[in-house]
Amino acid sequence: GDSVTQMEGPVTLSEEAFLTINCTYTATGYPSLFWYVQYPGEGLQLLLKATKADDKGSNKGFEATYRKETTSFHLEKGSVQVSDSAVYFCALLFSGGYNKLIFGAGTRLAVHP
Amino acid sequence: EAGVAQSPRYKIIEKRQSVAFWCNPISGHATLYWYQQILGQGPKLLIQFQNNGVVDDSQLPKDRFSAERLKGVDSTLKIQPAKLEDSAVYLCASSPPVGQRGERETQYFGPGTRLLVL
Repeated sequence: GDSVTQMEGPVTLSEEAFLTINCTYTATGYPSLFWYVQYPGEGLQLLLKATKADDKGSNKGFEATYRKETTSFHLEKGSVQVSDSAVYFCALLFSGGYNKLIFGAGTRLAVHP
Repeated sequence: EAGVAQSPRYKIIEKRQSVAFWCNPISGHATLYWYQQILGQGPKLLIQFQNNGVVDDSQLPKDRFSAERLKGVDSTLKIQPAKLEDSAVYLCASSPPVGQRGERETQYFGPGTRLLVL
């Protein structure tokens, strides 16, 4: 069945460091892909998305490119800030219909000054 | 625009008790979802409503969980009786009407209800 695998956390970085969080997926067809972020004490917020192969989603300095060949959607940011500390979830839209999101386990990011 | 509202934010109960969570989606959103997020895991869909009809409840433990969406707006998720393994955050989300494909796929989440079963 459809599934998402994320790199395990926590990821600990210093401010202004480069960030990569790996995400790979298994799915039938070509699902839309998403990154959601969960700040402490808050609900999930959509960070960015891509709906077809080679699309690049971007928001708040974060980017991810839909790679069909490697079934990946890695999240990157060139220079992280303390305020980026959160849990990041990769997700795909279930190919069986009904608009169901399948989430990865999440990756906790901690950025230190 | 107001976001998805949920209440209560926190709930502590003893096993075998019952509990109910409430969700008010974004105005005009036809689709409503309930997810269960166990600590250290990603959210898992429990049930999805399209207006007031259920379109997917394949992962809802129907022996103890129930949900309804009266009049196609607010929704209530109930657990009766609760078990220790039901301790989790229950997230409600909504998405815009069918027909707006690019927007329909985006789900907007509420702050969640954190349940602890002792």
